[in-house]
Amino acid sequence: EAQVTQNPRYLITVTGKKLTVTCSQNMNHEYMSWYRQDPGLGLRQIYYSMNVEVTDKGDVPEGYKVSRKEKRNFPLILESPSPNQTSLYFCASSFKGGDTEAFFGQGTRLTVV
Amino acid sequence: GDSVTQMEGPVTLSEEAFLTINCTYTATGYPSLFWYVQYPGEGLQLLLKATKADDKGSNKGFEATYRKETTSFHLEKGSVQVSDSAVYFCARSGGSYIPTFGRGTSLIVHP
Repeated sequence: EAQVTQNPRYLITVTGKKLTVTCSQNMNHEYMSWYRQDPGLGLRQIYYSMNVEVTDKGDVPEGYKVSRKEKRNFPLILESPSPNQTSLYFCASSFKGGDTEAFFGQGTRLTVV
Repeated sequence: GDSVTQMEGPVTLSEEAFLTINCTYTATGYPSLFWYVQYPGEGLQLLLKATKADDKGSNKGFEATYRKETTSFHLEKGSVQVSDSAVYFCARSGGSYIPTFGRGTSLIVHP
């Protein structure tokens, strides 16, 4: 089954404790992206990757890191989480090309206390 | 840059009512247009899409027509059901090949 898998689904952590949210897709997509979803603000892109070892900042990259060492994986790293990073996070992937749909993971609900 | 503007919600309707959710997009380039739906507790999934002017996308009774002259892609459904309660996102393809999303419109359908 074609899918994007994020882990964990829920995470509560403390300020400053490094964490990683994993994302994996099994569709051989070149393009992957991370979004955060906040009430009243919709989806905002954090980082995206056009292929292995090629990443770029989205609209709200501060406080986040990503890496793309393999085509299928695109982890999101919070080196020193802060409470304003409490949010719902989505990973997405798509084929190269502007008219292709994005496939989304189930989301990760992160709470930073 | 690329952007998508959609009507703010929530939109509250009774079952079997007619639905319209407005969406307009920036006209740079020749974008593809999408509507995604997010059911409670789930990720987004594609509802329908249109790749060129005057195309009509349709799925599950929902329709949207790509209007280049008005830069619009309004979502419509003739008779909504309680199960259509969700958040709907309009999106356009962008230079990064990852869609640009609107802020989402929450739809609540009462029995």
